[in-house]
Formats: sequence, structure tokens, C-alpha cells
Amino acid sequence: DAGVTQSPTHLIKTRGQHVTLRCSPISGHKSVSWYQQVLGQGPQFIFQYYEKEERGRGNFPDRFSARQFPNYSSELNVNALLLGDSALYLCASSRQGYEQYFGPGTRLTVT
Amino acid sequence: AQSVTQLDSQVPVFEEAPVELRCNYSSSVSVYLFWYVQYPNQGLQLLLKYLSGSTLVKGINGFEAEFNKSQTSFHLRKPSVHISDTAEYFCALQNDQAGTALIFGKGTTLSVSS
Repeated sequence: DAGVTQSPTHLIKTRGQHVTLRCSPISGHKSVSWYQQVLGQGPQFIFQYYEKEERGRGNFPDRFSARQFPNYSSELNVNALLLGDSALYLCASSRQGYEQYFGPGTRLTVT
Repeated sequence: AQSVTQLDSQVPVFEEAPVELRCNYSSSVSVYLFWYVQYPNQGLQLLLKYLSGSTLVKGINGFEAEFNKSQTSFHLRKPSVHISDTAEYFCALQNDQAGTALIFGKGTTLSVSS
């Protein structure tokens, strides 16, 4: 089975712009979570969705939003980008929320 | 509040030597515990997990970990490391209610040299 896929792999944006990151979960997984990993740190939780409903939200500003589609894929949106948003954004999927499997990530650079 | 502390930021070892990466956690409720590995410029790969049952958990690539509730620890061990084990290792916990966030430690860099 295919693993978690994310697109794009790399992205360069300018401060103030908007970005959309995409994630496709493992087949049969209904939960998708998003994490931000700043260089040299462990991943930080942003959102979790299960069956298209938001199940959890981390300590991130309202500039961050997400949604899950009927096919369980997900988008993470970030508005008004700041330099500090530069990070590796990881998507993880799971059947019900635990034992999460991660994708390769999207490397976002904000200049 | 829940937290994970990885006691060593860097662990250098020689090939074929044993290694232990230390992880302590803090939580007022029952938790699930995980170890993930991250190779350069890649996502995280699940090495092993403790959900319940036997406190000695075996994972992929010859790694194992022992859950110690009294010491709130979940140390990762391998009896003989290879050059290819060089990577970043993350310990993580999750509230034992399905659907909650993973809380990660800051990571331990394992460097294996010949």
C-alpha cells in the first residue's frame, strides 16, 4: 500500500503571502494530523481531523486553518506568512487517531 | 500538562557498539509511547510503540524499548548499531484516548562512526 503522500515537496513564499499544503492519507485511514517541525526541534501539533471533523487544535494562531475532504485527504492553509513559519510541515494519518504514520513533509521557506 | 524529555541531544557511538537513547515523560493520565526515526530530509518513520501489555517492546531494525511506569521512562536500545542507524530519534507520547496529539521530545541525534 502507498504511504502518506504530501505535495508540494518544497515551496518558497514571500512574507504576507498565502500557502496551501496537501496530504493524502494511507488507504483506509480516516484521521489526518498536521505538525510543524522547525529546524532542530521535535514536531509540534497543529490540527487533527477525523471523518472530516476537527478533533484537536494546537497552539497556533488563526492564520493556520485546515480541512478534510470526503476522500479523507486534507489541506493545511496558512495566511499572512511570517518568516517564523519557515519549517517542515508534516502530515500523519491513522485509522482513528493513534499510531500515526507520517508523510515525507513539505519544506516551506518564507523570505 | 504532558511533556517528553530526551536526556541526550547527541549520542556518538562506534559501529557494532550497543546504544541507549533515554526518554522520560510526564503525564497525569495513562499514555501511549512511541519512538520515531527521521533520516536527513525525510519524514518520520515509526520504530516501535507501547500501547499496553508487555513492557518490553520490539520494533523494526533491531531496536527495542522498555516501558517503566514507576520511573516514567521509555528508553530505546539496540545491542549493535550500524552506520545506517545514523539519524534523529524522537520519543513521543499520546494521551490514551484515541484522537489526541502526539507530544514529541526535542530529539536525539545518533551518530555512528566506523
